[in-house]
Amino acid sequence: DTAVSQTPKYLVTQMGNDKSIKCEQNLGHDTMYWYKQDSKKFLKIMFSYNNKELIINETVPNRFSPKSPDKAHLNLHINSLELGDSAVYFCASRQTSGVPRETQYFGPGTRLLVL
Amino acid sequence: TQLLEQSPQFLSIQEGENLTVYCNSSSVFSSLQWYRQEPGEGPVLLVTVVTGGEVKKLKRLTFQFGDARKDSSLHITAAQPGDTGLYLCAGEAGRRALTFGSGTRLQVQP
Repeated sequence: DTAVSQTPKYLVTQMGNDKSIKCEQNLGHDTMYWYKQDSKKFLKIMFSYNNKELIINETVPNRFSPKSPDKAHLNLHINSLELGDSAVYFCASRQTSGVPRETQYFGPGTRLLVL
Repeated sequence: TQLLEQSPQFLSIQEGENLTVYCNSSSVFSSLQWYRQEPGEGPVLLVTVVTGGEVKKLKRLTFQFGDARKDSSLHITAAQPGDTGLYLCAGEAGRRALTFGSGTRLQVQP
């Protein structure tokens, strides 16, 4: 039983295309995140949703649009893909209400390569 | 912007050696977490430290949070090949998402 799952695991596409990555968590957590890990393994927050509402939107180009249809899902749509978008994208979830805060769980990552 | 600097960036040692990884910041964090990430997988939480000066042990791994809650260290005793991986520290301040360090790639040779 996978706690946080992402699809697809690998994505190879041409510059200028539009693509989506999906994420689902079955932990009943109230908060979900998208992180980007670059080639130097630096992991940086992109977005955070709490109960379907956007609460963090770090300096990310508006070509990236997250969507949370319900609290168990957080998808990431990317328009007009650029070479610099190539990276590994991780979804994560965590229960942030209540004390103490629980562990943040990461998905297996989506390896995006833009050619 | 809160930054976490990890050192060293790369470490290659022989099985049985000891090592320490450092995570430093000029910012204060309410908690600090250490993760290990293996190739092709997401980071997995090892430990969370919350109190300044706190020391936590996980088998051969010892984690310490600095008194001022700005820095942390991870010490591994008698490293094993299974300890190979990318070690990431991450700081939490308020209700924002985690701020991750630059990572330390550890390779333990048999």
